[in-house]
Amino acid sequence: NAGVTQTPKFRVLKTGQSMTLLCAQDMNHEYMYWYRQDPGMGLRLIHYSVGEGTTAKGEVPDGYNVSRLKKQNFLLGLESAAPSQTSVYFCASQGGRAGLAGGGYEQYFGPGTRLTVT
Amino acid sequence: DAKTTQPNSMESNEEEPVHLPCNHSTISGTDYIHWYRQLPSQGPEYVIHGLTSNVNNRMASLAIAEDRKSSTLILHRATLRDAAVYYCILSSSGNTPLVFGKGTRLSVIA
Repeated sequence: NAGVTQTPKFRVLKTGQSMTLLCAQDMNHEYMYWYRQDPGMGLRLIHYSVGEGTTAKGEVPDGYNVSRLKKQNFLLGLESAAPSQTSVYFCASQGGRAGLAGGGYEQYFGPGTRLTVT
Repeated sequence: DAKTTQPNSMESNEEEPVHLPCNHSTISGTDYIHWYRQLPSQGPEYVIHGLTSNVNNRMASLAIAEDRKSSTLILHRATLRDAAVYYCILSSSGNTPLVFGKGTRLSVIA
């Protein structure tokens, strides 16, 4: 049971390049989330998903797109990277039945992806 | 969304108990109180959560005030490994994601 895994662990991009971050979970969780964390700051929600085939915007969605084609995977895409997107990206998953969210369920986080955009 | 208020930082001596406070005066009846912590250079990890009653697990205890407007995370014997940022978060039973604030940075002194 690997929990939540993230690929890649580190990446350096040039401004304007694109990339996709992959998050995978093996706990059969309905809910998945993408956060970013800038130095010395708390986590901010980018996008989330409440089930396979669904996505929703979080607090800071601009410049990012997501897809949840399979229940176990949640992809975060940067179409045209900017230096302001330099950050550590965390993925999380959470249990709970679809449509009846997880107030009483804990989130499990991946180890993070450190992205630098030059 | 109901908000939480935590001290920016706290300090504790190793092997002593630590009480981390959290105020959430606008909590609603369906909000669960969650605590997470983030060790240096790692992702957040779940610590404990509760709704109305006090809760204990292998990591910590959660004491919830009778009016639910505040709670306290209790680490019974702080170790150096407990040095982290601790987040107190409210999570409703609807489709509402967790919202992380800045948390409390706990330093543990040997």
